[in-house]
Amino acid sequence: GNSVTQMEGPVTLSEEAFLTINCTYTATGYPSLFWYVQYPGEGLQLLLKATKADDKGSNKGFEATYRKETTSFHLEKGSVQVSDSAVYFCALRYNNNDMRFGAGTRLTVKP
Amino acid sequence: ETGVTQSPTHLIKTRGQQVTLRCSSQSGHNTVSWYQQALGQGPQFIFQYYREEENGRGNFPPRFSGLQFPNYSSELNVNALELDDSALYLCASSQGQNRDYGYTFGSGTRLTVV
Repeated sequence: GNSVTQMEGPVTLSEEAFLTINCTYTATGYPSLFWYVQYPGEGLQLLLKATKADDKGSNKGFEATYRKETTSFHLEKGSVQVSDSAVYFCALRYNNNDMRFGAGTRLTVKP
Repeated sequence: ETGVTQSPTHLIKTRGQQVTLRCSSQSGHNTVSWYQQALGQGPQFIFQYYREEENGRGNFPPRFSGLQFPNYSSELNVNALELDDSALYLCASSQGQNRDYGYTFGSGTRLTVV
């Protein structure tokens, strides 16, 4: 079936460090791919998306590239801030279908 | 534009009881999905409604049921509550069935079953 696998956390970084959170997917066909972020006590917020191979989604300094050949959608940021501390979810969606999420990766950024 | 609103925000129920959770979708969105998120886990898909019809269901028993109304708001009903039903229940709406549409999430209802 269609599924998303994320790197296990938690991830702890110092401020201004480089961030990578790995995400791979198993799917038939061509889903759209998403990253969502969840701050404590809140729902999920869309961070970025990519809808076809080689597309790069970007927002707030975060980037992810849709890699069909490696079925990956890794999230990166060049310089993290304390305010980036949250749980990050990778997700995929097909036409006429729901969105499926990974287990989430908790990021803590220390000053 | 208004986002997705859910009510109530918190709820405590006794095992065996029934509960109804409510969701108002974002303006212009005709698709609503419900998710269960246990502590420290990713959201698990319960079901989706599109134009008042159920349009997909996850691996949840029939005691989880739902409705979508003509204004695209939605309800999630859970009968015969079990302790394992304690979780954050998230509602999300979307403009439609196209895979390019992301979901807008509400802040969730925290259900505790005692």
